[in-house]
Amino acid sequence: AIRMTQSPSSFSASTGDRVTITCRASQGISSYLAWYQQKPGKAPKLLIYAASTLQSGVPSRFSGSGSGTDFTLTISCLQSEDFATYYCQQYYSYPPITFGQGTRLEIK
Amino acid sequence: EVQLVESGGGLVQPGGSLRLSCAASGFTFSSYSMNWVRQAPGKGLEWVSYISSSSSTIYYADSVKGRFTISRDNAKNSLYLQMNSLRAEDTAVYYCARGQVATIYMDVWGKGTTVTVSS
Repeated sequence: AIRMTQSPSSFSASTGDRVTITCRASQGISSYLAWYQQKPGKAPKLLIYAASTLQSGVPSRFSGSGSGTDFTLTISCLQSEDFATYYCQQYYSYPPITFGQGTRLEIK
Repeated sequence: EVQLVESGGGLVQPGGSLRLSCAASGFTFSSYSMNWVRQAPGKGLEWVSYISSSSSTIYYADSVKGRFTISRDNAKNSLYLQMNSLRAEDTAVYYCARGQVATIYMDVWGKGTTVTVSS
């Protein structure tokens, strides 16, 4: 199974900051990577697929990049509603479909 | 409105069974693959099972293989998860999530249903 490792596991930031979350795959997955946002008590929400394609309706301050084994999710200007947990997911080789362990973004 | 609504969760004893359902609306259910994903309390997301649009391809996570069965009824716009031989470690919120035609990222999620396995 392909292991997905996110870093950091958690961190604090302020509204207006630019933040980057990293996801690393244990083997190459081309661009078969998705990013999700989850708020407490809510279902995950798809933000980005194919490593860099923004899902319809997602604000343009979110962007994704990378291919192969290293990927990043960037939020260009943090808004209050962006404080949440973020997960990456690979869909290059399955089963199993695998998620990263999550990155919790908290308000500083 | 595109929507997925799960039901069937509850409290069950270890070794027991439960059947989850997911009702789809607002899109052509028969055109999409579907997944079950779970989240144990305070933990991350864990993919559980996948079924293709025609039910011709089915996958399971090793943790549930042989105990859980995924199925769908395209005429009823419904997805199911039959869970047998339940264990404490199966306690989680179970989400149904829509996949894509030829790939498996999940663009629509239900709100989830809670399964608690405890004596």
